[in-house]
Parts: sequence; structure tokens; C-alpha cells
Amino acid sequence: NAGVTQTPKFQVLKTGQSMTLQCAQDMNHEYMSWYRQDPGMGLRLIHYSVGAGITDQGEVPNGYNVSRSTTEDFPLRLLSAAPSQTSVYFCASSYGAASYNEQFFGPGTRLTVL
Amino acid sequence: DQQVKQNSPSLSVQEGRISILNCDYTNSMFDYFLWYKKYPAEGPTFLISISSIKDKNEDGRFTVFLNKSAKHLSLHIVPSQPGDSAVYFCAASASVSGADGLTFGKGTHLIIQP
Repeated sequence: NAGVTQTPKFQVLKTGQSMTLQCAQDMNHEYMSWYRQDPGMGLRLIHYSVGAGITDQGEVPNGYNVSRSTTEDFPLRLLSAAPSQTSVYFCASSYGAASYNEQFFGPGTRLTVL
Repeated sequence: DQQVKQNSPSLSVQEGRISILNCDYTNSMFDYFLWYKKYPAEGPTFLISISSIKDKNEDGRFTVFLNKSAKHLSLHIVPSQPGDSAVYFCAASASVSGADGLTFGKGTHLIIQP
């Protein structure tokens, strides 16, 4: 199993550009989520999904869009990048209600917005 | 307002001694608590967890203690080893399933000195 994979590892954008951060998991996990980590801060929840076709907002959803068309994939879209979105982005997945919520994290995408 | 607080940004411990990392929370709805370990340029990895019905959970060198009345938990690492040097995040959830994501503290950088 590859676990949780994220692409790209690094990305530089100009203000106003849009892009999609990819996240995939091969563990057949129901739950997936996106977090961002800023310097000196913990991880903050952006959006999450409890299954294909179901998404909801987390603590810091503004400026981001998500969709979940398959169990495996959970892409995060930046609609119009802003310097405040410079951060490291982590995708995570977990089994669901049957397990205590150990979340498996991907390696992260480091995004810089100029 | 931070719901999960790790008040020590860093902690230095000699190899072989006990490392104690502390975490406080304010949300009474939190029912499940986790510790994650993070190395630079990697995603967080799950270390150990505890549900609110317990006051202690052990896994090898790692023990987590929960004091619900004080809204406080701690992670003990005995004995500390050089590979334990990392950032440790305390996280909490109001649901067993974790469907609505985790709330993280800002992390404590543990440095194990030889």
C-alpha cells in the first residue's frame, strides 16, 4: 500500500492563479480531510469528507474548494491564490466510525504564493 | 481561541531520561485525544491515543495520561532516545469517528541530547 499520497510536493504560484492539490489513498478509507500548517501553528482543518459525494467545511475553508467523486481521491482547489495561502498542506484519511479516529497523513505539499 | 494548548514550544531532555509533554484543552465536548509525531518535511504520524473513559494508555515506551477534571493530558516517553527528537502534536476530537476532523495544538519540539 502506498498509503496517502500527495502531489505536487512543492508549488509556487502567483497571486490570482488557481491550482489543484491532489490527494489519493489506497486504504479504502471513508474519511478524508485537508489541513494546513503555518509556522508556529498546529494543523488547521480546511475541509473534510465522510464519504464519496459528501464534503463539509472545517475551521478555515475560505478560498478553497473540494469535491469527492471517488473513495480514493480528495482534491483541494485554490480558486484564486493569495499570499495568505502560503502554507504546507496535509491530506489525511481514516477508516471511519468503526475505528478510533487515527488519521493517516500524507507527506504534504509546500505551497508558496507570491 | 485555542481549544488545544501546548504551552511549551520546545523541550530538551537527556538521552535515557523521561520526556514529559503536556497538553491542555478547553472544549468539554472533546472525547478522544491523540498524539502525533512529526519529522521535518514529513507528514505527522500517529503515536498513541486515549479515549475519555480511560485515564491512562500505554504502548511500549509511550504512555498517555488523561485528567478529565483538569482538562489536561500528558505524554511520557521512557527512556528517551535520539530518534524521539521531533515535533509532537496533541490533537482532540469530539467524536469517536473523527468525522469532523481533529483540533491540534501548536506542537512541542522535543530535543533529545546525547
